[in-house]
Amino acid sequence: EAGVAQSPRYKIIEKRQSVAFWCNPISGHATLYWYQQILGQGPKLLIQFQNNGVVDDSQLPKDRFSAERLKGVDSTLKIQPAKLEDSAVYLCASSLEVGLYTGELFFGEGSRLTVL
Amino acid sequence: AQSVTQLDSHVSVSEGTPVLLRCNYSSSYSPSLFWYVQHPNKGLQLLLKYTSAATLVKGINGFEAEFKKSETSFHLTKPSAHMSDAAEYFCVVSDPGSGTYKYIFGTGTRLKVLA
Repeated sequence: EAGVAQSPRYKIIEKRQSVAFWCNPISGHATLYWYQQILGQGPKLLIQFQNNGVVDDSQLPKDRFSAERLKGVDSTLKIQPAKLEDSAVYLCASSLEVGLYTGELFFGEGSRLTVL
Repeated sequence: AQSVTQLDSHVSVSEGTPVLLRCNYSSSYSPSLFWYVQHPNKGLQLLLKYTSAATLVKGINGFEAEFKKSETSFHLTKPSAHMSDAAEYFCVVSDPGSGTYKYIFGTGTRLKVLA
């Protein structure tokens, strides 16, 4: 079974530039998550999709971040314009809920962003 | 509301000695609990999970955790540390009964294994 795919793995940009990250979840997984992990910290949820609808984007800085999930499969996270504090690893995860028991999260390798 | 507290940000043990990484949670429903490990420059890997079955959960690489509802704890243990266990460990709580399928991460515990 193929895992969660993310690209690019690494990206270096200047502040005020834009960047986009792509995620392809495991086939059949209904829920997709984008997390931001700043060095030395735990992952922080940015946005959660259920199929192609947004469940939670309360911690997404909407003035500069946007995300979409087309046709309930792939997802793209965009940052425009980037700030220095956006330097982080952006993790995509997906999960398949079965009944009442929450399934585990499956993570991609992450996309490391450095903003200069 | 859900929350999770990892009581130690850093833990150092000698190789061959026991490992204890502590996690306390808060949940309005019957929670699902997970431990993930992250090696440097790698993605997160599931170690083990509790989803209201047996309270003592065995995971990969000799790790196990015990769900204690009365203490709202889910501590991770391993009888004998190996050098390859050095990594960052995250405790995660989820409330399947809430219907939101949110996963809340702790701040992480960095495990150092001394030769």
